Amino acid sequence: AQTVTQSQPEMSVQEAETVTLSCTYDTSESDYYLFWYKQPPSRQMILVIRQEAYKQQNATENRFSVNFQKAAKSFSLKISDSQLGDAAMYFCAYRNNFGNEKLTFGTGTRLTIIP
Amino acid sequence: GAGVSQSPSNKVTEKGKDVELRCDPISGHTALYWYRQSLGQGLEFLIYFQGNSAPDKSGLPSDRFSAERTGGSVSTLTIQRTQQEDSAVYLCASSLAWDYTTDADQETQYFGPGTRLLVL
Repeated sequence: AQTVTQSQPEMSVQEAETVTLSCTYDTSESDYYLFWYKQPPSRQMILVIRQEAYKQQNATENRFSVNFQKAAKSFSLKISDSQLGDAAMYFCAYRNNFGNEKLTFGTGTRLTIIP
Repeated sequence: GAGVSQSPSNKVTEKGKDVELRCDPISGHTALYWYRQSLGQGLEFLIYFQGNSAPDKSGLPSDRFSAERTGGSVSTLTIQRTQQEDSAVYLCASSLAWDYTTDADQETQYFGPGTRLLVL
């Protein structure tokens, strides 16, 4: 079974600075997807960024980028120029690439932005 | 376009009562998932529907939990004889049908706002 580990229960960053959230996972598969979701107090899970395992290039979405290290099974999220609206719980998630498979989530990292 | 919607937003019930939670997926999405988010257990998969195929019920915690998906669209998660440990946020997600030839957006699950269930 796949597992996802987020070792940082809480993180904080000064507004406009850069922060990196860690995620490691365990799988025996070679083809899969990785995701970062953001969950603000409204409870809505919002997709931040996704990475296909077969792609070597790290995904980027505006201020959000990932550092995907397939051999190390590491998938960290970097948030640049942090904004107050980035405050939320961030979940790392894994999905096999066998059709529509369920997501396996990490335990989350609560990110606080310091004005 | 409209996203995934869920109702009710919040539900308070007494132990032993039955509850129904509703999910309306994004139009055109054939895959639908239910997850549970509780303080002690994090986010856990409950059940998955794909088109007309038999659902994957492997995540349901007990036979008190069941779900239906009528007409390939709206889904209802039913919890019978609720217990206090059922208190959690129940999240629904949907995604497009999986296809070898299409892009990664089909692999992405889009979530609704959840239903917060409190069992007294």
